[in-house]
Amino acid sequence: EAQVTQNPRYLITVTGKKLTVTCSQNMNHEYMSWYRQDPGLGLRQIYYSMNVEVTDKGDVPEGYKVSRKEKRNFPLILESPSPNQTSLYFCASSSAQVPQETQYFGPGTRLLVL
Amino acid sequence: AQSVSQHNHHVILSEAASLELGCNYSYGGTVNLFWYVQYPGQHLQLLLKYFSGDPLVKGIKGFEAEFIKSKFSFNLRKPSVQWSDTAEYFCAVNAYNAGNMLTFGGGTRLMVKP
Repeated sequence: EAQVTQNPRYLITVTGKKLTVTCSQNMNHEYMSWYRQDPGLGLRQIYYSMNVEVTDKGDVPEGYKVSRKEKRNFPLILESPSPNQTSLYFCASSSAQVPQETQYFGPGTRLLVL
Repeated sequence: AQSVSQHNHHVILSEAASLELGCNYSYGGTVNLFWYVQYPGQHLQLLLKYFSGDPLVKGIKGFEAEFIKSKFSFNLRKPSVQWSDTAEYFCAVNAYNAGNMLTFGGGTRLMVKP
């Protein structure tokens, strides 16, 4: 089954404690992306990657890092989380060969930073 | 950069009522347009998309949307809603020269009363 998986689904942490949210897709997609969803603001893109070792900032990259060492994985790293990063995070992937192709979303990771 | 506006943040309807959710975007060039739905506790799923051709697009579950280029709009409609349509709906735009990048509107929460 084609899918995007994220782990963990729920996470409570404290300010300053480094964390990583994993994202994996099994569709051989080149393009992967991270969004955060906040009430009234919709989804805002944090970082995206066009392929292995190719990453770029989205609209709200501050406080986040990403890496793309393998095609299927695109982890999101919060080196020093702060309460304003409390949010719902979604990973997405699509084929970069067809830019307008549908993006497939993961189930989301709900993060609370105390 | 493109932006997307969804003017209705919350909509409450009774079952069998007709639905129209507004979506306007700001970008002068060619665009690809999407509506995504997020049911409570679930990830985003594609409802429908427009790339070219007939501006009236039909999607899943009886939804349709009409692209009106002169108004920069892509409103979502359904003639008769059901309780199971209770969800949050997101309009998204992909500018033709923006690769895979999607810009989302702020979302509209729809509640359908049984």
